[in-house]
Amino acid sequence: DTGVSQNPRHKITKRGQNVTFRCDPISEHNRLYWYRQTLGQGPEFLTYFQNEAQLEKSRLLSDRFSAERPKGSFSTLEIQRTEQGDSAMYLCAEWQGGHSPLHFGNGTRLTVT
Amino acid sequence: SQQGEEDPQALSIQEGENATMNCSYKTSINNLQWYRQNSGRGLVHLILIRSNEREKHSGRLRVTLDTSKKSSSLLITASRAADTASYFCATDPYTGANSKLTFGKGITLSVRP
Repeated sequence: DTGVSQNPRHKITKRGQNVTFRCDPISEHNRLYWYRQTLGQGPEFLTYFQNEAQLEKSRLLSDRFSAERPKGSFSTLEIQRTEQGDSAMYLCAEWQGGHSPLHFGNGTRLTVT
Repeated sequence: SQQGEEDPQALSIQEGENATMNCSYKTSINNLQWYRQNSGRGLVHLILIRSNEREKHSGRLRVTLDTSKKSSSLLITASRAADTASYFCATDPYTGANSKLTFGKGITLSVRP
């Protein structure tokens, strides 16, 4: 599978725990995006990286959320002190430039109990 | 906030019929994209139409764009049961930058065999 890879696919955690998700893009150095999707809604933008630089963060990304992209390759999204409202599908996507679409991974579904 | 708004929210048709889905948006765009999502999976890009294009075809898909009305439509001809999925329109507001796609809430399409 040479698409965008996200791990884990599913994560169940108790409220207050920290969780970390990983995204491996197809190619290094393409722009990398994180989106969040709740049931019945479309994906909502969280943040994006150009190489290792985090260029924009949504107001949805509270201080409990942090994302990194060391060396411009894979990216991680960490949520500290999880809350039930964090339960959602977290999607990673890669953009190769120009008038090209986003290539999404299959997401990590987070359930906070 | 979600820029694109799809209509209808849900659509149920018989196999072989055509499905028409509409999307309206609010601000100027560089391009508009349609994506498909099967349950529990990531989004898959279907078709991209640039702001200077009015119509585009890809297989059984036909997309139109009316920038004066800030609307787009996606037509799936000769639908199949495998077309059952959620469909999202997404707008790219910036020229060449694709800084962040903004998605609508989606349309749930059910194709009955």
